[in-house]
Amino acid sequence: QVQLVESGGGVVQPGRSLRLSCAASGFTFNDYAMHWVRQAPGKGLEWVAVISYDGGTTSYVDSVKGRFTISRDNFKNTVFLQMNSLRAEDAAVYYCSRELIGGKAEKFDSWGQGTLVTVSS
Amino acid sequence: DLVLTQSPLSLSVTLGQAASISCKSSQSLVYSVGNTFFNWLHQRPGQAPRRLMYAVSNRDSGVPDRFNGSGSGTDFTLTINGVEAEDVGVYYCMQGIHWPPTWTFGQGTRVDIK
Repeated sequence: QVQLVESGGGVVQPGRSLRLSCAASGFTFNDYAMHWVRQAPGKGLEWVAVISYDGGTTSYVDSVKGRFTISRDNFKNTVFLQMNSLRAEDAAVYYCSRELIGGKAEKFDSWGQGTLVTVSS
Repeated sequence: DLVLTQSPLSLSVTLGQAASISCKSSQSLVYSVGNTFFNWLHQRPGQAPRRLMYAVSNRDSGVPDRFNGSGSGTDFTLTINGVEAEDVGVYYCMQGIHWPPTWTFGQGTRVDIK
């Protein structure tokens, strides 16, 4: 079955960096675009970034442009989120999810359990 | 930028009664093939979100038929016919565009039992 497992969260000081990973299994990873979505404590969901199936196209929410980089390793079935210059407002649970471009049902049908990022001095 | 506005933001429902959540979009889905860029999610406390409905009105596997999604263009509705205790939590609508595949979430509607 489809599984998405995020890791890499932790406590980091403002201005520092963190790299999140999302390991995928149970489906043909390199057929899917992959997304990161975050949820600040007590708040709603916010879409963060997407990477195309081949890594050739990426897109970001305005608040992280220039600071976050999404990438993927199709040999290791893993998507990454490199987060630089972290701010207090980046503190959140980060989830990964998938999307089959051109598909109907395969859009955010599976989610990981999330990884918590805390930004604090 | 695409904005999704949910209402109400909070809903307290008696067990067995119906509940309805509205999601209004600032951009029409009219150019989305098969309305595929609109989903509803449910998130229970302490859990990851789970997709409930896809392409406006299609229930995910295991979702009870008391849940119904409807709408078109810019106005969408999630209806729960006969709320059960397990339905508590926060419901989110989400809408995307084809390329690049960026998505927007509504603010969420919290449902609890009266």
